[in-house]
Amino acid sequence: GENVEQHPSTLSVQEGDSAVIKCTYSDSASNYFPWYKQELGKRPQLIIDIRSNVGEKKDQRIAVTLNKTAKHFSLHITETQPEDSAVYFCAASMGNAGNMLTFGGGTRLMVKP
Amino acid sequence: SAVISQKPSRDICQRGTSLTIQCQVDSQVTMMFWYRQQPGQSLTLIATANQGSEATYESGFVIDKFPISRPNLTFSTLTVSNMSPEDSSIYLCSVLLPTDIQYFGAGTRLSVL
Repeated sequence: GENVEQHPSTLSVQEGDSAVIKCTYSDSASNYFPWYKQELGKRPQLIIDIRSNVGEKKDQRIAVTLNKTAKHFSLHITETQPEDSAVYFCAASMGNAGNMLTFGGGTRLMVKP
Repeated sequence: SAVISQKPSRDICQRGTSLTIQCQVDSQVTMMFWYRQQPGQSLTLIATANQGSEATYESGFVIDKFPISRPNLTFSTLTVSNMSPEDSSIYLCSVLLPTDIQYFGAGTRLSVL
């Protein structure tokens, strides 16, 4: 089955700096890669996703890049703000209805004001 | 998107008892899932709730311990049976939309004494 590794497990940055979280996956058949943000005591919420037919996707301060050959994808947050502090999870699936997500271990991001 | 109602939001139970968690979604969905999230950990898939047939369980989870019902396309229940303190965790339901996006319920925080 799919295995997703996520690094780092914790990340501390100063407000205004950039943050990068990296994930690798094992199954080359995976083609859908979402990122979830989970604030303390809240549900995981989708913040951005990418499919295997594109290499990069951007939404305001958040971007995701995908390298299919190397089987890794990354989340980039620019101009970080204290409200970005949360746990971030990457995931991978083979897409199509019926294929479940395999989650990475999570990254606790702390943005210091 | 999807609006998911999960209840109870939290409960404190005695060991040896059972708790049933309900998940209601505001539209018909083919796929519903149940996850467990232990404190400070990632999300682990328990099972896929199949409408009209038995749930599909992941390795390490069995029907006798986590029976699941899925009577229709908008509702599912997860029962945690014969609970022990090791079952203390957050349990989340999720739904999969045709776009491959998964939305999560708010979770049930379970403490077993």
